[in-house]
Amino acid sequence: DAGITQSPRHKVTETGTPVTLRCHQTENHRYMYWYRQDPGHGLRLIHYSYGVKDTDKGEVSDGYSVSRSKTEDFLLTLESATSSQTSVYFCAIMKVQGGTSYEQYFGPGTRLTVT
Amino acid sequence: RKEVEQDPGPFNVPEGATVAFNCTYSNSASQSFFWYRQDCRKEPKLLMSVYSSGNEDGRFTAQLNRASQYISLLIRDSKLSDSATYLCVVIPPSGGYQKVTFGTGTKLQVIP
Repeated sequence: DAGITQSPRHKVTETGTPVTLRCHQTENHRYMYWYRQDPGHGLRLIHYSYGVKDTDKGEVSDGYSVSRSKTEDFLLTLESATSSQTSVYFCAIMKVQGGTSYEQYFGPGTRLTVT
Repeated sequence: RKEVEQDPGPFNVPEGATVAFNCTYSNSASQSFFWYRQDCRKEPKLLMSVYSSGNEDGRFTAQLNRASQYISLLIRDSKLSDSATYLCVVIPPSGGYQKVTFGTGTKLQVIP
C-alpha cells in the first residue's frame, strides 16, 4: 500500500482558522498529490509536488497552499478554513517504474469538517 | 464533454451475475488507464491496470478500445464483497503526472 499515512484522520475546525494536514510516505517517491473528494465531483487535484520544494497548483487550489521540505512529507494548509472546504482529503503518490509504468496509491484520507 | 465519464449507477446485481462497466475518455493521446475500487469512506485502491491487449485477473477483465476511446471492466460471478464504487482513471502521455483524471465512479451493489 506504498506506506502512506495521513494525519490527522479526522478534524473539526471553525471557519477562519488555519489548518494543516500532513501526508507522510516511506518509499521515497518523487511525485505526491493532494486531492479532495466531494459527492458528485469525484477526486479533484488541489496541489501536487514533483520533488522537494517543487510544487504546482491543481484545478481547485484556491485557499490552499502546500509545502514539501523533505521527500517523505507533503503538507497541505488551509490558510483560513471555510465551510466549502469541508471534504475528505486524500494524499497520493505516483509509483513510476522504468518511465513507462505509473501507478497511483492513496493514503487513508482525512475527514475535515469546517463549522 | 468531461475528460472521463462513467455511468454513476447504481448497478444492483444478484450474486453470481456478470456485470460490466464502461468509461469513456476524451483525450485520444491518453497513455495509461486504470480501474480503482473505493469502498465507502475509504481511499481508492488500485484494482487493475488496463493494457491495450486487455488483461484478466481472476474474475475481473479489463479492456481498452482506443478507436472508440473507452475502457471497460467486466466482473464475473459477482460476490457480495464486490460491492463498492469503481473509478476509472486516465493518465495522459508521458510527463503528464499532474493530469491524472478520475471518473466520478460507478456504484455496484451486489445483492444476496
